[in-house]
Amino acid sequence: DQQVKQNSPSLSVQEGRISILNCDYTNSMFDYFLWYKKYPAEGPTFLISISSIKDKNEDGRFTVFLNKSAKHLSLHIVPSQPGDSAVYFCAATEYGNKLVFGAGTILRVKS
Amino acid sequence: NAGVTQTPKFRILKIGQSMTLQCAQDMNHNYMYWYRQDPGMGLKLIYYSVGAGITDKGEVPNGYNVSRSTTEDFPLRLELAAPSQTSVYFCASSYGGEVTNNSPLHFGNGTRLTVT
Repeated sequence: DQQVKQNSPSLSVQEGRISILNCDYTNSMFDYFLWYKKYPAEGPTFLISISSIKDKNEDGRFTVFLNKSAKHLSLHIVPSQPGDSAVYFCAATEYGNKLVFGAGTILRVKS
Repeated sequence: NAGVTQTPKFRILKIGQSMTLQCAQDMNHNYMYWYRQDPGMGLKLIYYSVGAGITDKGEVPNGYNVSRSTTEDFPLRLELAAPSQTSVYFCASSYGGEVTNNSPLHFGNGTRLTVT
């Protein structure tokens, strides 16, 4: 029973264009969502987060959108750069405890 | 600061062997976690600790044991290795128990374990 789903295993984008990574969740009690980025042979690193009381959070080139009614969030990267090529994990938590992770999406940014 | 350090990076075990995956953090974080990542799956929580001397089970604890004798160290023990434990193991830490942007999880670089 996957509570957090990333249905696209991979995404390929041209440098300079927008990358949109999607994430769906089933648990309506989730109140905080995070995105982690992972390079090969490294651990995941925190990228950006959003509370359930907001519908958008922006940090430089990265913006996360939350649609609670659809139980859907997305990460937008504009403009995409080759250094953004990595695996992106969506994660969710209820009251800040025990993160539940999606399976990840491999992003490839072509130069 | 080294952050979260995991050793070894790679290990091959035979079925039935035992081993300890080491994890140390130098950020004085109270909370520490062990996750495993299987191909095509998200990270799943094995065990976590809210402070020295306190541990609790996560989502997939069977076949593993942990201890937390110091704030810095959180080793994960496999007593009787099985092929189902072939995975990449990540240790993580956080300052507070609530995972937020002010207290995100900090991960180590992982241990790739193969059991044959």
